[in-house]
Amino acid sequence: EVQMLESGGGLVQPGGSLRLSCVASGFNFNSYAMNWVRQAPGKGLEWVSTIRGTGDGAGDRIYYADSVRGRFTISRDDSKNTLYLQMSSLRAEDTAIYYCAKRGPAFYFDYWGQGTLVTVSS
Amino acid sequence: EIVLTQSPATLSVSPGERATLSCRASQSVGSNFGWYQQKPGQAPRLLIYGASTRATGIPARFSGSGSGTEFTLTISSVQSEDFAVYYCQQYNKWPLTFGGGTKVEIK
Repeated sequence: EVQMLESGGGLVQPGGSLRLSCVASGFNFNSYAMNWVRQAPGKGLEWVSTIRGTGDGAGDRIYYADSVRGRFTISRDDSKNTLYLQMSSLRAEDTAIYYCAKRGPAFYFDYWGQGTLVTVSS
Repeated sequence: EIVLTQSPATLSVSPGERATLSCRASQSVGSNFGWYQQKPGQAPRLLIYGASTRATGIPARFSGSGSGTEFTLTISSVQSEDFAVYYCQQYNKWPLTFGGGTKVEIK
């Protein structure tokens, strides 16, 4: 059974930093691109970032939404089946539930974690 | 960036009725298109990918159609567990984008 469990969310002041983690199980983690998708309170879904897996096709390895590029860094540790999102220079508009999502055979999201809430507020 | 516009924003239906949700893309995405369902307090769930292929475990009452810029999600006979918000997504070009959602509510 595919499972993903996010952690690391919490309350942080504007300008602060936070690192999210997502531990995955039930599939060959290093073969798949992994993603972060967020959802602001009461709002829709917003793709944040993608990191390809080893052997996960041609093209760039990492992608970011314009809204987070230069402030967020996605990474992965395949030995630990873990995806990360390092967030810095946080803003109020980054307040959201952050979901970890596995890529399917194409860049849609076939499995999702339950999310971790990040609140940016003074 | 490819903008996805979903309509209507809210759809009121009675159980057993047919529901038709639409999503329009600002430029062609081919068949690189999916639909998700999200219930309150839960993560989204993949329903449809490739514009018309049901994901694993998705009931046959859900069907997707369309290509290019116009897409439709149809629920042939809405069940009580289908009342939720539905999002479309394109994965033809970066950045990946979602529509704003359609809420299917009980009439």
